[in-house]
Amino acid sequence: QKEVEQNSGPLSVPEGAIASLNCTYSDRGSQSFFWYRQYSGKSPELIMSIYSNGDKEDGRFTAQLNKASQYVSLLIRDSQPSDSATYLCAGVRNDYKLSFGAGTTVTVRA
Amino acid sequence: EPEVTQTPSHQVTQMGQEVILRCVPISNHLYFYWYRQILGQKVEFLVSFYNNEISEKSEIFDDQFSVERPDGSNFTLKIRSTKLEDSAMYFCASSLRNTGELFFGEGSRLTVL
Repeated sequence: QKEVEQNSGPLSVPEGAIASLNCTYSDRGSQSFFWYRQYSGKSPELIMSIYSNGDKEDGRFTAQLNKASQYVSLLIRDSQPSDSATYLCAGVRNDYKLSFGAGTTVTVRA
Repeated sequence: EPEVTQTPSHQVTQMGQEVILRCVPISNHLYFYWYRQILGQKVEFLVSFYNNEISEKSEIFDDQFSVERPDGSNFTLKIRSTKLEDSAMYFCASSLRNTGELFFGEGSRLTVL
């Protein structure tokens, strides 16, 4: 069973729209969750971390965590062409081994 | 802005050869990691390193792999006898605290022929 699963992409949104990315996890021992952005041919870059249930907002990004439903999401408001990338959901347990999902590729159409 | 640096950016080797990938983590970071990403697949954890020893390793990190911090700045990944399936992008990462907030290097692409 995959530890972290992401909704299948690719996701194409028009510029200025909201991109909604979803992630579920199987390990109830997972404590913290992260969204990384990976441009094609580049390394992952941390954009959001969330540790407790609820919403966390940072600029145009909002992460949501629901531990009861084992669900993590990322909203990108006012999407820009520069947001076109693969978004990786990741979770970590007490052993702090970060487990990544397969990623959702987002394309923002100008 | 401090960054993780990796060398080489691309290495081509013959099957069975030894490869050493090098990383310089961010200077005040205490936790070090290697991940790999086979083309088109997800980022996979290999190993974490703290206080001069391995703190966690995955099933992928078998006896062919080893890590070392030979001095105060470098962190290396050695693959003793490369196989075709070792072809991947290898990412080094470091973190200040053991939280999952990692800073990744640009990666070393390994091609095994």
